[in-house]
Formats: sequence, C-alpha cells, structure tokens
Amino acid sequence: TQLLEQSPQFLSIQEGENLTVYCNSSSVFSSLQWYRQEPGEGPVLLVTVVTGGEVKKLKRLTFQFGDARKDSSLHITAAQPGDTGLYLCAPPGSGGYNKLIFGAGTRLAVHP
Amino acid sequence: DTGVSQDPRHKITKRGQNVTFRCDPISEHNRLYWYRQTLGQGPEFLTYFQNEAQLEKSRLLSDRFSAERPKGSFSTLEIQRTEQGDSAMYLCASSSEDSHFGPGTRLLVL
Repeated sequence: TQLLEQSPQFLSIQEGENLTVYCNSSSVFSSLQWYRQEPGEGPVLLVTVVTGGEVKKLKRLTFQFGDARKDSSLHITAAQPGDTGLYLCAPPGSGGYNKLIFGAGTRLAVHP
Repeated sequence: DTGVSQDPRHKITKRGQNVTFRCDPISEHNRLYWYRQTLGQGPEFLTYFQNEAQLEKSRLLSDRFSAERPKGSFSTLEIQRTEQGDSAMYLCASSSEDSHFGPGTRLLVL
C-alpha cells in the first residue's frame, strides 16, 4: 500500500531554474526523510524533518515539513545538472522495524 | 569508504536460471534490509534481518526468493527459477538509526 504521493512524477528544467517537489499523505508521520537517488546508484539520505512546520536548509535545497506532519516539500534554488536524480520521500519506522516505505518519487532532469 | 557494498552490480541471466546476490553492510550495523526497485517506482521492501534473524518478509518475496544472513554480517539474496518479472534493481541497506543503501544489483532476466 502506497502511503505517499509524490508530485510531479517527472520534471525537466534548465540549469538555473527553481523548482519545488511535493510529498503528500493522508497519514500523520512522526518524521519524514528525503533521499536522492542518482542513476545506477542507491538512495542517499538528504534530510530528516521531525517537527511540524520545520524548515531545514541544505545549501540550495530547502525542506519543509507541513504543520500537520502529513506533507513535505523540497525546494531547489538555481538547479544544477548535479541535482539530476530521483527524489524520494519516506517516513522512517512507519512500516515497523524501521523499514522504509517510499513514494514513487519525482524524477528530476536538469539540463545545462 | 566503509559503506554498504553489493555484488555483482549487474547480472544478466536467462529465464529459469538461479541467481545469488551478496550484500556487505556497514560493519557495526545490526539491521539489514533488502528492497526491490522497478523502473519508475521507489524501492519496495522485501525482507529484514536483525543480526542473523530474519524478522520480516514482504508478500513480494515469493517462494522462489530466499535470503540469509548466516553470521549476522553479510547477506545473500537468491532467486530460483528466475522470471522476466524479476528484472529489477535489488538494493540492500543497513542501519543503526538511519538507513544506508548500497549501490544495488541490477538484474535483467531474458
């Protein structure tokens, strides 16, 4: 059962543009993680958001956890080709034994 | 770098053959997970080990799949009588708190 909906599914932009991707659910989560997966590699953890309304910044990436802890967004400023990849969200531990239940992801392509 | 490693990185096999994948987790991690990822999807949970004990198996893990972690360190995932639908990326992750993923084994069944 897919708990999370990620949008958009695909995003193709030019270098230097800004973008926002979303992770939505009808469930309340105690925390949410964002991962980036580059082609041919495993996902890499970017951030964990814990508190409703929390905003975390990682260089040009800004992560926000919704006030109700049901949704999250990732905003990238001045995207670069190195940002290309699959962006996945998952609530850690919601599936028991700390296994991850991922959304389908947003596939981002940033063109030079 | 003492991250999670997986071997092989790529495997092409014919339908009906058996394949085995290996995962070497981060040494101090007692939790180990296998996931499967098909094109256009996020990784889906297959099975979980705590040390050498296999504590959870997904319904995705049919009878043709078996996983072991005999000494609580490395793990193997075997698929018997492979089918074309088994073609996917097989990811291993280990954790103490946060999950660390390996690079995956990409399987293509012809």
